[in-house]
Amino acid sequence: QVQLVQSGAEVRKPGASVSISCKASGYTFTDFIMNWVRQAPGQRLEWMGWVIPASGDTRYSLKFQDRVTFTRDTSASTAYMYLNRLTAEDTAVYFCARLNALTKHYDLDYWGQGTPVTVSS
Amino acid sequence: DIVMTQSPLSLPVTPGEPASIFCRSSQSLLYSNGDNYLHWYLQKPGQAPQLLIYLGSIRASGVPDRFSGSGSGTDFTLRISRVEAEDVGIYYCMHTVETPYTFGQGTKLEI
Repeated sequence: QVQLVQSGAEVRKPGASVSISCKASGYTFTDFIMNWVRQAPGQRLEWMGWVIPASGDTRYSLKFQDRVTFTRDTSASTAYMYLNRLTAEDTAVYFCARLNALTKHYDLDYWGQGTPVTVSS
Repeated sequence: DIVMTQSPLSLPVTPGEPASIFCRSSQSLLYSNGDNYLHWYLQKPGQAPQLLIYLGSIRASGVPDRFSGSGSGTDFTLRISRVEAEDVGIYYCMHTVETPYTFGQGTKLEI
């Protein structure tokens, strides 16, 4: 069965960086675009961008494009998100989610369990 | 960016009764191929969102048939024919017609 398993909770100080991993299983990793979505406390879900595992191409939301990097390791079926210059406003749960483009539905059909990131001095 | 607006934001319901959630987009989500790139999710407490409805009206695998979606263009509705206790959580609409993808504010369904 399809599974996306993310790395564990992180605590960082303002100005620091964080990286989160998302290991995929149960499907061909390179066939589906991997998205990253975050949810700050009490806020709506917020799309950050995606990485195409087959090529490494990325697309970032303008809000994050100067601070975020998405990469992937196809041999490990794992996607990574790096976010730098953290502020308290980056305190959120970060999700990876698979974009179902193969069937042309373009929905996020499978999600990781979420990785809480706390930014505090 | 496309703005997604849901209503109501809070929805108290009685088990066995119907419920409806509305989602309006600031631009049409109807693509040239005839599909509406509007999807509905349920986020239960402490969990990741789970896909309920895709392309406006198609139930995802394993989703009970008491859930249905309708609408086209800019106005969409999620209906629950008979609410059950397990349906509590926050419902979100989301579009994927163009990037950036955006979500509604969420509708909290409470028994």
